[in-house]
Amino acid sequence: GIQVEQSPPDLILQEGANSTLRCNFSDSVNNLQWFHQNPWGQLINLFYIPSGTKQNGRLSATTVATERYSLLYISSSQTTDSGVYFCAVDTGTASKLTFGTGTRLQVTL
Amino acid sequence: ETGVTQTPRHLVMGMTNKKSLKCEQHLGHNAMYWYKQSAKKPLELMFVYNFKEQTENNSVPSRFSPECPNSSHLFLHLHTLQPEDSALYLCASSLGGREVAEAFFGQGTRLTVV
Repeated sequence: GIQVEQSPPDLILQEGANSTLRCNFSDSVNNLQWFHQNPWGQLINLFYIPSGTKQNGRLSATTVATERYSLLYISSSQTTDSGVYFCAVDTGTASKLTFGTGTRLQVTL
Repeated sequence: ETGVTQTPRHLVMGMTNKKSLKCEQHLGHNAMYWYKQSAKKPLELMFVYNFKEQTENNSVPSRFSPECPNSSHLFLHLHTLQPEDSALYLCASSLGGREVAEAFFGQGTRLTVV
């Protein structure tokens, strides 16, 4: 099956800093999503981005499907950005999302 | 509020108990999923239902039994679980069909088996 790897695994930032999270996948994908998992376990949809670039406030994402990676940018980070960020992909052949290993982000004052 | 609701939010059960997790979606979707998230592990897909038909069983032990009576409801029946089954169980839904369009998740049920 498809392999999804995220980097870095852990990230500590000071409030106000910017960061880039990466998601690499081993096969062609039809769909890609970024999620933020809050401390209570809820997975919050950030982006549905099979290709191209999208922006939502301080967050933006870019997927380069031909090169099999996606990037999530967080600018001017806030303590509420803390949590685990997952990317998940669908190859279009098995109607299921495969998740990456996640990036655990901690934003400190 | 994602449109996907799971109950209960927390559950503690003994190894000989029988319990059920419930998931309900109000998004008009036709595909529903159960995922398991153990500590320090990525999310693992357990079951997929597409238009009420089970299309994926990811080698899940038979002590977990899913049920999808209609496109809006999904259950996970639990019996004779083991302590290692303690985890966060997440339900999701998406439009349905061969591809996964954007998926939305419930708040999860945190299960502890004692």
